[in-house]
Amino acid sequence: DQQVKQNSPSLSVQEGRISILNCDYTNSMFDYFLWYKKYPAEGPTFLISISSIKDKNEDGRFTVFLNKSAKHLSLHIVPSQPGDSAVYFCAANLAGYALNFGKGTSLLVTP
Amino acid sequence: KAGVTQTPRYLIKTRGQQVTLSCSPISGHRSVSWYQQTPGQGLQFLFEYFSETQRNKGNFPGRFSGRQFSNSRSEMNVSTLELGDSALYLCASSLEASDNTGELFFGEGSRLTVL
Repeated sequence: DQQVKQNSPSLSVQEGRISILNCDYTNSMFDYFLWYKKYPAEGPTFLISISSIKDKNEDGRFTVFLNKSAKHLSLHIVPSQPGDSAVYFCAANLAGYALNFGKGTSLLVTP
Repeated sequence: KAGVTQTPRYLIKTRGQQVTLSCSPISGHRSVSWYQQTPGQGLQFLFEYFSETQRNKGNFPGRFSGRQFSNSRSEMNVSTLELGDSALYLCASSLEASDNTGELFFGEGSRLTVL
């Protein structure tokens, strides 16, 4: 039973534009949400997180928005750069349980 | 500070064989988790160990097992390999167990191919 869903397997964006990656979840008890980035032949690396008591967290070009009523979060990358091309995983945490990952969205930023 | 180290990085096995994968966490990290990544399935949780005890287990058959040693290093074993076990196996470590904010530090993975 997939509790974290990334419904877009891939996304292509032009360099300099905004990339928006979406994620939906089903368990309202999740208390932290995280985004990980993965390049081929490397392990995922932590990108940004947000607590369930917040609705926005910003770190440089990366901003995560959380809409608890819709059980939806999104990652905005502005401006997008070719080096951002990677697979992005959304994850949700519930204390005492393992981190729950989505299937990932492959982002391609074209020059 | 060294990252999470996984060995071997690549291996090829045949059906019916068994395999052992090793993971050395970041120094000082006591929690180790294992994930399986296959195309189209994302990261699927296998198990988590903390202080040599299995704290959480994912929905995988009993052919998948693991353990953690007193120095926090961990191994996972897959017996009676099937073609569908071909995947990237990722190990991740964290300071404490799964009641933290969820941030994990991943190794580069062990790519298993079953023929």
